[in-house]
Amino acid sequence: GAGVSQSPRYKVTKRGQDVTLRCDPISSHATLYWYQQALGQGPEFLTYFNYEAQPDKSGLPSDRFSAERPEGSISTLTIQRTEQRDSAMYRCASSLAPLAINEQFFGPGTRLTVL
Amino acid sequence: DAKTTQPTSMDCAEGRAANLPCNHSTISGNEYVYWYRQIHSQGPQYIIHGLKNNETNEMASLIITEDRKSSTLILPHATLRDTAVYYCIVRVNYGGATNKLIFGTGTLLAVQP
Repeated sequence: GAGVSQSPRYKVTKRGQDVTLRCDPISSHATLYWYQQALGQGPEFLTYFNYEAQPDKSGLPSDRFSAERPEGSISTLTIQRTEQRDSAMYRCASSLAPLAINEQFFGPGTRLTVL
Repeated sequence: DAKTTQPTSMDCAEGRAANLPCNHSTISGNEYVYWYRQIHSQGPQYIIHGLKNNETNEMASLIITEDRKSSTLILPHATLRDTAVYYCIVRVNYGGATNKLIFGTGTLLAVQP
């Protein structure tokens, strides 16, 4: 595609509900990242994929957070039993290859609000 | 990855050069300096990166001191659309390393008309 897309753009949910966020990376990109961005802060790394593999989950805040990329393209981020502190912008990025030299292209984000 | 220090905010007059400093005194020999920016509510955007030589592209110039402990991002003719938060990031640049970006708090550049 022309760029990284994410859906939904906005999600409002009640505390305790599960939510799934979707990221569609640039089609030729092997590597996909998830970041969480609180209001007024820079994005914070959650996890990343090289194709289907998920080498680093170190940024996931708890076991309520999980991510998948089963076919090496589209990815989903699932938050189970949401809490108010999960409210944030969730940003997806992709890069051409796993090498750090490749710039990351960011999507528009999903704004999650947990009531 | 090495820690960076940036001013919280800066102002610049439209049409003038914007010089954004970054200190990275603990940078190691295999770490590059990257700059990204984030315009209000949009995703971060890559600007430029370098190791030890000065770099220039269509967006900006990057000046890295000889000891590599600090750098300056230069926007030669700032416009109102350059108002954004600018992030200086240092990281290793070869395969096998986790490619995550550690953003910090950045510098809010406000370009004034």
